Amino acid sequence: EADIYQTPRYLVIGTGKKITLECSQTMGHDKMYWYQQDPGMELHLIHYSYGVNSTEKGDLSSESTVSRIRTEHFPLTLESARPSHTSQYLCASSESGGLWTDTQYFGPGTRLTVL
Amino acid sequence: ILNVEQSPQSLHVQEGDSTNFTCSFPSSNFYALHWYRWETAKSPEALFVMTLNGDEKKKGRISATLNTKEGYSYLYIKGSQPEDSATYLCAPMTTDSWGKLQFGAGTQVVVTP
Repeated sequence: EADIYQTPRYLVIGTGKKITLECSQTMGHDKMYWYQQDPGMELHLIHYSYGVNSTEKGDLSSESTVSRIRTEHFPLTLESARPSHTSQYLCASSESGGLWTDTQYFGPGTRLTVL
Repeated sequence: ILNVEQSPQSLHVQEGDSTNFTCSFPSSNFYALHWYRWETAKSPEALFVMTLNGDEKKKGRISATLNTKEGYSYLYIKGSQPEDSATYLCAPMTTDSWGKLQFGAGTQVVVTP
């Protein structure tokens, strides 16, 4: 069982609020990722990090931002939530080697609903 | 962004029957293919990572094959059990994707007793 955690699991919030989705892993992985999944759609990479102080945007444009100040922590922030941000957000991490075949370990996800 | 197609979108299987489904992807610049299983209310779980043309991987009753020249992979479930009910995701990786996975929409498998 992978040790990667996300909080909250479910969040219902009003438009305009600032929200932070937490993701933590205890495996010492350097690489971390955020995916977004709309109902019935694919998982899309929105942010990734290859280590502390490294963040990159993924293939799907997102208004969210991320930070990586500590290896184990990769929070995602929305400054002003909108109904279009309603989605499921999954965090993942993978080992620190140079291989691109490394397995990604996923957290349980956060289901965000913006009213 | 890669064009990754999984078919069928969903399938219903009787317990004990075997089944298979497909992941199609562009064959150019292929590097690796990941398969994941995602059960309802759980986290996606890695099944296989495949890299070589002709690769075959097996995990219990689940196996997968890879054809990189034509750009497809099959996943097989032998003697399906209710615990095999899940969405199965494939995610190819190319040499120019810098380690980023591109997930298909998945095949949802429902195994009924």
